[in-house]
Amino acid sequence: SQQGEEDPQALSIQEGENATMNCSYKTSINNLQWYRQNSGRGLVHLILIRSNEREKHSGRLRVTLDTSKKSSSLLITASRAADTASYFCAVGGGSNYKLTFGKGTLLTVNP
Amino acid sequence: DGGITQSPKYLFRKEGQNVTLSCEQNLNHDAMYWYRQDPGQGLRLIYYSQIVNDFQKGDIAEGYSVSREKKESFPLTVTSAQKNPTAFYLCASSPPGAAGTGELFFGEGSRLTVL
Repeated sequence: SQQGEEDPQALSIQEGENATMNCSYKTSINNLQWYRQNSGRGLVHLILIRSNEREKHSGRLRVTLDTSKKSSSLLITASRAADTASYFCAVGGGSNYKLTFGKGTLLTVNP
Repeated sequence: DGGITQSPKYLFRKEGQNVTLSCEQNLNHDAMYWYRQDPGQGLRLIYYSQIVNDFQKGDIAEGYSVSREKKESFPLTVTSAQKNPTAFYLCASSPPGAAGTGELFFGEGSRLTVL
């Protein structure tokens, strides 16, 4: 299975601190994506990084990809209480037209 | 505004009943997906459709059925054969050329509870 696995399962930080979440996967991929989910809501796409890219930025988000280690990290800088959510990585690249999601990291940002 | 609309948001079902969850999109996307989310389990793919009148089973299709008669609509029926249907159900779509390897757009979900 290509399924991404996030680490840690839960993370609690203070507002203003940086939050780092990691994702590991098992097989070769075409791309890796990060999604955010507020409690009881749908998922929202944050960022996509392709297998030939090593780093990507979007606002306060920074994603890295290390294909040799089959891992990715999501960094949220200067976190805010509104960043409190679950964050999922999803890996794509199989021939069966689907993404596979990890179990997520629950981030709590305390005011 | 363009987006994906799921209904109902909350649904209660008695054991032995079939229920249908609605998913409508006005994004002109070709591919649509149904995921199930359980606490601590992440998202698991139930069914997906790349084009009208065609759909494929995902990882946990047993006890579920779908149809894709229109590009905009991809309803999911949870049948009485699904032994543990209580879950949060998410519908998603992806734009042309990105099916399975690009960004997914999600609805707000439907929470099904079996009484």
